[in-house]
Amino acid sequence: KAGVTQTPRYLIKTRGQQVTLSCSPISGHRSVSWYQQTPGQGLQFLFEYFSETQRNKGNFPGRFSGRQFSNSRSEMNVSTLELGDSALYLCASSSGQGRGNYGYTFGSGTRLTVV
Amino acid sequence: AQSVAQPEDQVNVAEGNPLTVKCTYSVSGNPYLFWYVQYPNRGLQFLLKYITGDNLVKGSYGFEAEFNKSQTSFHLKKPSALVSDSALYFCAVRDRGYQKVTFGTGTKLQVIP
Repeated sequence: KAGVTQTPRYLIKTRGQQVTLSCSPISGHRSVSWYQQTPGQGLQFLFEYFSETQRNKGNFPGRFSGRQFSNSRSEMNVSTLELGDSALYLCASSSGQGRGNYGYTFGSGTRLTVV
Repeated sequence: AQSVAQPEDQVNVAEGNPLTVKCTYSVSGNPYLFWYVQYPNRGLQFLLKYITGDNLVKGSYGFEAEFNKSQTSFHLKKPSALVSDSALYFCAVRDRGYQKVTFGTGTKLQVIP
């Protein structure tokens, strides 16, 4: 079956702009989690969506938001971009509940560069 | 709150030698534990997991990990390192009643030919 698809793979934006990243999870998976990866901070949890509801949230400012659609696809949005938002944004898919909900399958990520 | 510690930023090992990448965790109750590997500019790939049962878990590419409840550790091991094993390795933990997965800071493994 198809893996986790993140689009776009690379993105360059200017400070102050906004950006939307997309993630399509594995078919049948209802949970999508987002992580920000930077060399200095490692993997930082942004939020998790399950069945169109935000179930968990990390410690990021309100400029970072997300949503999940009825087909489980998820988008995350970053408004008023700052240079420090440059990072690899990773999406992780999981079943989200019940037996077999043991871990994540990751997408290849979106590399965001803010200039 | 759950947490994961990977005490070594980098591990260097000669090709053919055994390797160990260390991980300790903190979680309430019994944990789910995971190891992932990341190659440059790619997402994380699943290596292995501990859910229950046998403390020695075997995973992909010849890797294994040993769950030690008393020491709250889940070290990653391989009997004979390959140059192609050079990558960034992440340990992760999840509480059985909580959906969020917490990752360690990562350990860069460098296998020297």
